[in-house]
Amino acid sequence: QVQLVESGGGVVQPGGSLRLSCAASGFTFSSYGMHWVRQAPGKGLEWVAFIRYDGSNKYYADSVKGRFTISRDNSKNTLYLQMNSLRAEDTAVYYCAKVPYGSGTTCWGQGTLVTVSS
Amino acid sequence: DVVMTQSPLSLPVTLGQPASISCRSSQSLVYSDGNTYLNWFQQRPGQSPRRLIYKVSNRDSGVPDRFSGSGSGTDFTLKISRVEAEDVGVYYCMQGTHWPWTFGQGTKVEIK
Repeated sequence: QVQLVESGGGVVQPGGSLRLSCAASGFTFSSYGMHWVRQAPGKGLEWVAFIRYDGSNKYYADSVKGRFTISRDNSKNTLYLQMNSLRAEDTAVYYCAKVPYGSGTTCWGQGTLVTVSS
Repeated sequence: DVVMTQSPLSLPVTLGQPASISCRSSQSLVYSDGNTYLNWFQQRPGQSPRRLIYKVSNRDSGVPDRFSGSGSGTDFTLKISRVEAEDVGVYYCMQGTHWPWTFGQGTKVEIK
């Protein structure tokens, strides 16, 4: 079945970096755009970034633009989020998600927790 | 960026009674292809989100027919015809017409 599994979360100091990974299975990963969405503790969902199926276009939330980079390796069925210059307000559970524009299977991972703290 | 405003933010409902959540966008969500990319998501306690509705009124596979979406332009509604215990959670609207995509603040549905 369609599955997304995030990894790479942890505790990092302000100003530090972290790279998240999302392993996809059960669908043709190279055919779909993919998202990162985050949720701060006790707060709502915040869309973070999107990458087209072939990596040709990328979009970012204003809050992470210039600090975060979304990428993918279709040969490894894996999505990435490189996070630099981390701030306390980046503390959140980070989900990767497959959300088609229209009909089609949607899928969210279980999330990985990133904590930015000294 | 498009601002999505939901109301109410908290919705206590009696089991078996209807519920309605409003979502308004700061600009039209009609895309140049004529489609309106307005989604509704459900997040049950302790779970990852799940999409219920896409393009305003289309239910995703496996979503009970007590959930329905309606609206146009900047004004949208999610309705639950008869709330069941498993519907407890937070509901989010999200627009996918304009970059960056944006979510509403969320509406917490709880049983009275």
